[in-house]
Amino acid sequence: GNSVTQMEGPVTLSEEAFLTINCTYTATGYPSLFWYVQYPGEGLQLLLKATKADDKGSNKGFEATYRKETTSFHLEKGSVQVSDSAVYFCALSYTGYSTLTFGKGTMLLVSP
Amino acid sequence: DGGITQSPKYLFRKEGQNVTLSCEQNLNHDAMYWYRQDPGQGLRLIYYSQIVNDFQKGDIAEGYSVSREKKESFPLTVTSAQKNPTAFYLCASSIGLDTDTQYFGPGTRLTVL
Repeated sequence: GNSVTQMEGPVTLSEEAFLTINCTYTATGYPSLFWYVQYPGEGLQLLLKATKADDKGSNKGFEATYRKETTSFHLEKGSVQVSDSAVYFCALSYTGYSTLTFGKGTMLLVSP
Repeated sequence: DGGITQSPKYLFRKEGQNVTLSCEQNLNHDAMYWYRQDPGQGLRLIYYSQIVNDFQKGDIAEGYSVSREKKESFPLTVTSAQKNPTAFYLCASSIGLDTDTQYFGPGTRLTVL
């Protein structure tokens, strides 16, 4: 079956540090890949997505590139802010069968 | 504003009672979903519905029931058969079967005492 593996958290960074959250997946064919963000006590918000190999999704300074050869979709940001503190979820789905498979989430804590 | 609403935000129930969680969307989306979130577990799919009057079990449907009588509404009932119902419940929707992006509501935190 399909699965998504994320790095364990929490990831603790100082403001303006570089962020990488690793995500790898196991799936057949060509799924779409997503990063969702969850702020404390809230639902999930779509952060970015990529639908085919070598696509780069980007939003709010975050980026992730769909790497078919390494089955990865790592999330990066050049300079994090305190307001980026949240839980980040990597997920995959297939067009035509739109249920999502989520990773367990990675908590990011950014200190001033 | 278009979006997904879930009510209430916090819900407390006694053990053995059924409870229904509300989910409404005004995005004109055909597909709707219910997920359960537990600490450190990510999200797990309970039920989903692609069209009105049709729904499918997800990975952890036991102890839950749903209905889809209207396009806008997809209520989830947590029954007394659910052994460990205390969790954060998230509703989502997407345009339809042929799209892959889901949009989430703010969630309902259910605590069973």
